[in-house]
Amino acid sequence: EPEVTQTPSHQVTQMGQEVILRCVPISNHLYFYWYRQILGQKVEFLVSFYNNEISEKSEIFDDQFSVERPDGSNFTLKIRSTKLEDSAMYFCATRGGPINEQFFGPGTRLTVL
Amino acid sequence: LAKTTQPISMDSYEGQEVNITCSHNNIATNDYITWYQQFPSQGPRFIIQGYKTKVTNEVASLFIPADRKSSTLSLPRVSLSDTAVYYCLVGGGATNKLIFGTGTLLAVQP
Repeated sequence: EPEVTQTPSHQVTQMGQEVILRCVPISNHLYFYWYRQILGQKVEFLVSFYNNEISEKSEIFDDQFSVERPDGSNFTLKIRSTKLEDSAMYFCATRGGPINEQFFGPGTRLTVL
Repeated sequence: LAKTTQPISMDSYEGQEVNITCSHNNIATNDYITWYQQFPSQGPRFIIQGYKTKVTNEVASLFIPADRKSSTLSLPRVSLSDTAVYYCLVGGGATNKLIFGTGTLLAVQP
């Protein structure tokens, strides 16, 4: 079964540093998403991306966040200047199956110190 | 997006059938009902999706009454590995973003 992959699995960074989280979508999927889940809390939508542009973003997705698909395969989430409260699991998801379900990756655990 | 209400937790034993009901009184005409499963420190996994009546796949069944204001996820003969959080989501639209609630923590005991 095709799957979404994410790297790294765990990223530790210092507050104020930039991080880039990477996702490799399922090959024929066209819709891409980032979600995050702070420990013990709900999964939260961050942003959706289609046709090389943002379709929708949440209040969480402020100017510190950006997404791109630089080489037509990887889908990245960049946090420019990390804050302690950015510590969370970040999940990439892609959509394009026969009933348009979203397939989630295994996540990247981001720890900001 | 329609808000959903589901039990915070449920307990069951191996081999039993488990039914988790979700209320979505404000469901819109073009909304689908989708259920996801999540294990600790893993991404949510799609289980099943439906619009009305009954949908069945190799993992579960989804029952949706005519008024679509609720839905029931049915897991036949659960095992210990079915212990997870189960989310009911309602929505649709062009971007199809998913809005997760707190879900139902299903604990299966031997």
